[in-house]
Amino acid sequence: DAGITQSPRYKITETGRQVTLMCHQTWSHSYMFWYRQDLGHGLRLIYYSAAADITDKGEVPDGYVVSRSKTENFPLTLESATRSQTSVYFCASSGAHDYGYTFGSGTRLTVV
Amino acid sequence: GESVGLHLPTLSVQEGDNSIINCAYSNSASDYFIWYKQESGKGPQFIIDIRSNMDKRQGQRVTVLLNKTVKHLSLQIAATQPGDSAVYFCAERYNFNKFYFGSGTKLNVKP
Repeated sequence: DAGITQSPRYKITETGRQVTLMCHQTWSHSYMFWYRQDLGHGLRLIYYSAAADITDKGEVPDGYVVSRSKTENFPLTLESATRSQTSVYFCASSGAHDYGYTFGSGTRLTVV
Repeated sequence: GESVGLHLPTLSVQEGDNSIINCAYSNSASDYFIWYKQESGKGPQFIIDIRSNMDKRQGQRVTVLLNKTVKHLSLQIAATQPGDSAVYFCAERYNFNKFYFGSGTKLNVKP
């Protein structure tokens, strides 16, 4: 399903570098989300957005920045990557308040 | 913070048997619940949902049961198939349109 795509699929970066993970959806969904998935922690919400130019923090926002200038894009930036940010990152979108999410395929990020 | 938990981290079943995956959720104010399936290397996929005003909901081969008294959610898979092997997550919603996920249960289906 190409409705929500994440890039890159895999990324290795060095500690202290800035890295941006991309998320693009073609459904014009209002809501978009970023989760990280770590063994033993399940999926934890980093940031979410209810519409273009509206974003808010989730459970684990520290060290991350998001923007949403267009409805279809929701990039996640790690301003200065740390090893603790090594994880699999999932973007998701939802068209309405009363429906579940559709997830992208994820980005596996390794910080060395 | 509050979290969604699972009773069994790994479940092994024989092909053709029924599977039951359990989940304890934490917030009595949660109004909407979803079960997701995640296969290796893929993002979570929606399986079935249930709202807090319901006790049971059935889909194709899957049934979700909600017991609000004890804050318990279960996913039943009938006639489990090898393709059902995956990690299953329950998620609850109690804050805006945000879902909170548990750590997952791995289902192994033995042929």
